[in-house]
Formats: sequence, structure tokens, C-alpha cells
Amino acid sequence: EPEVTQTPSHQVTQMGQEVILRCVPISNHLYFYWYRQILGQKVEFLVSFYNNEISEKSEIFDDQFSVERPDGSNFTLKIRSTKLEDSAMYFCASSLGGQIQETQYFGPGTRLLVL
Amino acid sequence: DQQVKQNSPSLSVQEGRISILNCDYTNSMFDYFLWYKKYPAEGPTFLISISSIKDKNEDGRFTVFLNKSAKHLSLHIVPSQPGDSAVYFCAAGYYQLIWGAGTKLIIKP
Repeated sequence: EPEVTQTPSHQVTQMGQEVILRCVPISNHLYFYWYRQILGQKVEFLVSFYNNEISEKSEIFDDQFSVERPDGSNFTLKIRSTKLEDSAMYFCASSLGGQIQETQYFGPGTRLLVL
Repeated sequence: DQQVKQNSPSLSVQEGRISILNCDYTNSMFDYFLWYKKYPAEGPTFLISISSIKDKNEDGRFTVFLNKSAKHLSLHIVPSQPGDSAVYFCAAGYYQLIWGAGTKLIIKP
């Protein structure tokens, strides 16, 4: 069964450093998402991406965040200058369609720790 | 802003009994509601959904009930099995999903 994959599974970085989180969505999916979950808190939407453009983004997704689909398979989240509060689990998801009724398939997540 | 609330951080249920997980929302415009299940070290997986035109949706052992007047939905699992031990997230919205904080369900043997 096709699945969303994410690398790395864990990343430790120093405050102020740039990190790139990678995702490979399900191959025939057209909509891609990033979410984060700070430990013990709710899953928070960051951004959705379709047709090589951001379609929606939340207040959390400020100028230090960017997303890219550099080739036909990868979908990346870049955090330009990490802060302590960026420590969280980051989930990538993909769906065939963009409507709310479309099931989103999640990857296993990347645990980011900013020291 | 807590538009979707799951007030119980954890719930412990005997195997074979009914598990009831609750979720409250505040935005009356929400018209689509979902439950996701999450095991440790895995991403959330879709479990069941319901749209606002219905008040119940059933899929095997899982039933979701929607009470629009109370802005409340619940997930019933009958009978509960050890493999149901996981964190359950409620999500709701009308064009974008807002997630609850999750309820950790523990099924005791």
C-alpha cells in the first residue's frame, strides 16, 4: 500500500540553524501539507501546497518557513533560523483532492529538537 | 483559540467494553468532522468521518455521533480491543481542519 515517507525521523539542531525536513508524498496525490505537534499539544496546520504554490497557510507559517517541491517526488519544509519553540513533531500529509472531505495520508513524522 | 476541544487527555477502558471519546467545537460553521487515530512513532491515520447533514456514521466497531445543537461529537468503539490503544484526535472544519489535542485511549486486558 502506498505511504507517505519522511526523513529524517529525528533531527537535533542548534538554535539559529537552518533545517530542511523532507517528505515523499503518495505518488498520484496532488495536495501536500505540513503539520506540527508540539509535545502534548494539538496537531497544528502549517501549510498546504498545490500546483507548485502555497494554497493555504496558518499564522504559524511565518517568514522563517518555506516549502518547496524541488522535483517530482519530494516535498520539503525549510525552517530558516530555528528557535527553541520550533521543537516539535512535524508531519507531512498528502491527499488526492483538496476538499476537506478528501482523506489526508500522514507520514510518520520528523521529531525536531532545537537546542 | 480552542475551536476544537477534547477535554479528556486520557481514558482507560476494559477490553470488550465500550470506549466513548468526546469532542466539542465552538464554530457553528464547521460542517465536516473526522477522527484520526495515532500510534506511537507513526503519523495520524484516518478513522471515520461525518458531515453535518448526518447525526451518525458507522463503520464496523466504530460509530461517530454528531449533536449539532450541542456542538458535540463522540466516537464509540464497541467492543474495545487491545489494538485500539492509541491517541485519538478529533478534527473539524469547513474548508480547513482544526484539530483537538487528542485523547489517549488505553484498553486494559
